[in-house]
Amino acid sequence: SAVISQKPSRDICQRGTSLTIQCQVDSQVTMMFWYRQQPGQSLTLIATANQGSEATYESGFVIDKFPISRPNLTFSTLTVSNMSPEDSSIYLCSVGPGFTDTQYFGPGTRLTVL
Amino acid sequence: SQQGEEDPQALSIQEGENATMNCSYKTSINNLQWYRQNSGRGLVHLILIRSNEREKHSGRLRVTLDTSKKSSSLLITASRAADTASYFCATDPMNRDDKIIFGKGTRLHILP
Repeated sequence: SAVISQKPSRDICQRGTSLTIQCQVDSQVTMMFWYRQQPGQSLTLIATANQGSEATYESGFVIDKFPISRPNLTFSTLTVSNMSPEDSSIYLCSVGPGFTDTQYFGPGTRLTVL
Repeated sequence: SQQGEEDPQALSIQEGENATMNCSYKTSINNLQWYRQNSGRGLVHLILIRSNEREKHSGRLRVTLDTSKKSSSLLITASRAADTASYFCATDPMNRDDKIIFGKGTRLHILP
């Protein structure tokens, strides 16, 4: 299994600002995933971040809005840029050894945009 | 879409009773996973069942998978107040590498 931590656990931000969320894993992993969970909704995959390559974004998500860094095999950041109230969500990072096995999730970052 | 659909959307039962949640999906999968989420916190992995498995147990949890019906069920026996949470199924489709897809979840409330 993997132990994942995220920072910050929650934040309240003003419209137009940006927030960078950090995800730290206790072991080296190839694939890291970023999800968004809007209030009362299920999880939606934002992007897949592999170390050493550009993140792959899902439909509806773009790099300018959600830039991702993956500097090494244990760490990643997701930035929510130029925030609006519609960005208020829980953002979760996740790791998995591959699509055939279990994915583990961080505790999430609860973001509120005023 | 491939997204799984949990049924029911919400469920309230008395403590000690069994809770059953269902998940349906649309295309062939490699595996299906169940997760629990307590009050907007991170997800906790419960069980992974592979496409060639029909049933798995873990403590008070029992998961079944019927690939012919493209459905799965999660049974929690002898429910406890601490089981109050949202439960999500997540499918790993055969035609989408490395991405699992979540259903909308079932909100389970255990009444004292």
